[in-house]
Amino acid sequence: GEDVEQSLFLSVREGDSSVINCTYTDSSSTYLYWYKQEPGAGLQLLTYIFSNMDMKQDQRLTVLLNKKDKHLSLRIADTQTGDSAIYFCAEKEGFQKLVFGTGTRLLVSP
Amino acid sequence: KAGVTQTPRYLIKTRGQQVTLSCSPISGHRSVSWYQQTPGQGLQFLFEYFSETQRNKGNFPGRFSGRQFSNSRSEMNVSTLELGDSALYLCASSTGTHQETQYFGPGTRLLVL
Repeated sequence: GEDVEQSLFLSVREGDSSVINCTYTDSSSTYLYWYKQEPGAGLQLLTYIFSNMDMKQDQRLTVLLNKKDKHLSLRIADTQTGDSAIYFCAEKEGFQKLVFGTGTRLLVSP
Repeated sequence: KAGVTQTPRYLIKTRGQQVTLSCSPISGHRSVSWYQQTPGQGLQFLFEYFSETQRNKGNFPGRFSGRQFSNSRSEMNVSTLELGDSALYLCASSTGTHQETQYFGPGTRLLVL
């Protein structure tokens, strides 16, 4: 089957905005998620968006959803060094099965 | 509320052995899902249990099995371990309804030698 795609790497300077992109596969997905993974750790849920929404804002995080193009993005405002991590988008298939993207490694330099 | 706990955190086994991993969900959550994370394949869904019943299963061989107890704690078992089973095994907890999000534990890192 098709993969949920993300760019592999993003490097930004502290204070800049970061935009992480994701192309998902299933147009019938009802929920789409963003998770963060720090080295040696599990997955931390950052935010999610329901498929009937175009945008969701949560403090420094903004999620944009383009259902026509099956494109999801996560914008992190005022990026900090503590935001350095791997970010995964995920779509839900049926009951609790999540299909994850390949992950984007975000590096924030001072 | 305590988060999702997984034990053990690290394991080293040899090929051919079997292993059992444990996951305790967030109190009140009845659904537990398991995922395998490897550098080559990324994050892949293994299976999901809700009220002691397997509701969904990923594309893994029968060597991978699981169960859930009446207190919602779950175990997964891998028999006849192969080198390729070396991975981070993550479990996720949710209430089990379609609208609910999943919360992940710290994972169990398994190394097969």
